Amino acid sequence: AQSVTQPDIHITVSEGASLELRCNYSYGATPYLFWYVQSPGQGLQLLLKYFSGDTLVQGIKGFEAEFKRSQSSFNLRKPSVHWSDAAEYFCAVATGSGNTGKLIFGQGTTLQVKP
Amino acid sequence: GAVVSQHPSWVICKSGTSVKIECRSLDFQATTMFWYRQFPKQSLMLMATSNEGSKATYEQGVEKDKFLINHASLTLSTLTVTSAHPEDSSFYICSASPPVGSHEQYFGPGTRLTVT
Repeated sequence: AQSVTQPDIHITVSEGASLELRCNYSYGATPYLFWYVQSPGQGLQLLLKYFSGDTLVQGIKGFEAEFKRSQSSFNLRKPSVHWSDAAEYFCAVATGSGNTGKLIFGQGTTLQVKP
Repeated sequence: GAVVSQHPSWVICKSGTSVKIECRSLDFQATTMFWYRQFPKQSLMLMATSNEGSKATYEQGVEKDKFLINHASLTLSTLTVTSAHPEDSSFYICSASPPVGSHEQYFGPGTRLTVT
């Protein structure tokens, strides 16, 4: 069965430090992978996505993610974290075909940024 | 572009009453919309997939008679929580997919439902 695992429930980093949020997926076919960010009480905003091609994808707000098929991973990175990056981050994989694919979400990682 | 709205953003209702939540794609047509439920500090749980002009497909364990979904047009889907109970209190989020297959979903801002 398809699944997404985010091993880190909560991460705290200092402002200006680098960040890596881990995501591992289980999916038989070529995955469509996403990272979303959710601020408290808000909906989800797409940070970046991977469908095919270059395995290093750039997203908004200075985020990037690298797809590693051999490790079934799609980790999110940012070289220098800003206080405004404090939020909940979700990794997701799309299943099914066409545009009716369901999204399976990981458990989420809460990012806290220390001043 | 690709804006999805939800209305209301929050609602309080009494136990036993019904409440309707609207999800609209403002600048694109959405053949498919999804409804999610999110409990505090938890991930999103897919409740159902809604296709324009046809019946919604519910995920296992979701009561279709309790959570009525209607996708009457390419820009509007509604979720009606019938005979609401306090355990239905949650954050409900919708998303919409444009017709061109891309696996992308655009999310609404969510609706906070509190049943007293």
